[in-house]
Amino acid sequence: RKEVEQDPGPFNVPEGATVAFNCTYSNSASQSFFWYRQDCRKEPKLLMSVYSSGNEDGRFTAQLNRASQYISLLIRDSKLSDSATYLCVVTAVSQGNLIFGKGTKLSVKP
Amino acid sequence: SQTIHQWPATLVQPVGSPLSLECTVEGTSNPNLYWYRQAAGRGLQLLFYSVGIGQISSEVPQNLSASRPQDRQFILSSKKLLLSDSGFYLCAWSVWGAGELFFGEGSRLTVL
Repeated sequence: RKEVEQDPGPFNVPEGATVAFNCTYSNSASQSFFWYRQDCRKEPKLLMSVYSSGNEDGRFTAQLNRASQYISLLIRDSKLSDSATYLCVVTAVSQGNLIFGKGTKLSVKP
Repeated sequence: SQTIHQWPATLVQPVGSPLSLECTVEGTSNPNLYWYRQAAGRGLQLLFYSVGIGQISSEVPQNLSASRPQDRQFILSSKKLLLSDSGFYLCAWSVWGAGELFFGEGSRLTVL
């Protein structure tokens, strides 16, 4: 099992749609979880952290299920500007490095 | 505020030539420093990370090496490039335990 696995993409959705991305991780001792966004040919940037209780930032909602080792990102009312690749990221326990999923590409169409 | 600079942004190199990518961080002390590679259609692969001057951990055996001659300087090198070294190289920094990574703008390497 790969360390971090994400939904295969691409997701092609119309403006205004709600879209959900899923991610599973293999190390049950992982401590921190994040969603990063990467625009085409650009560097990744932090979108949001994922907390145990779940958290929301505007149209974005992140959920963590430790028992199932599962993370999700929900985007409501999709905008054209949401088009990007979304990376699921999990920290290893000891040395502080982050493990990235391969990403899920989202394309929002008019 | 903290900033990270990475250069060159783009380079085209012949097989067998050397490589040097440089990264510097400003506005913070003793950061964790990282080199990642993102090959076409693939995820981010951690190549090296460093928790201090002269301390380098290698994640993937390859013909690349890294050095940290100063606290906020991280260099990625190769003596002889391979075709498979082509990709998008990203330097990043973080504060120990904080989790969030801050990336440079990346260096796009094409080996011909």
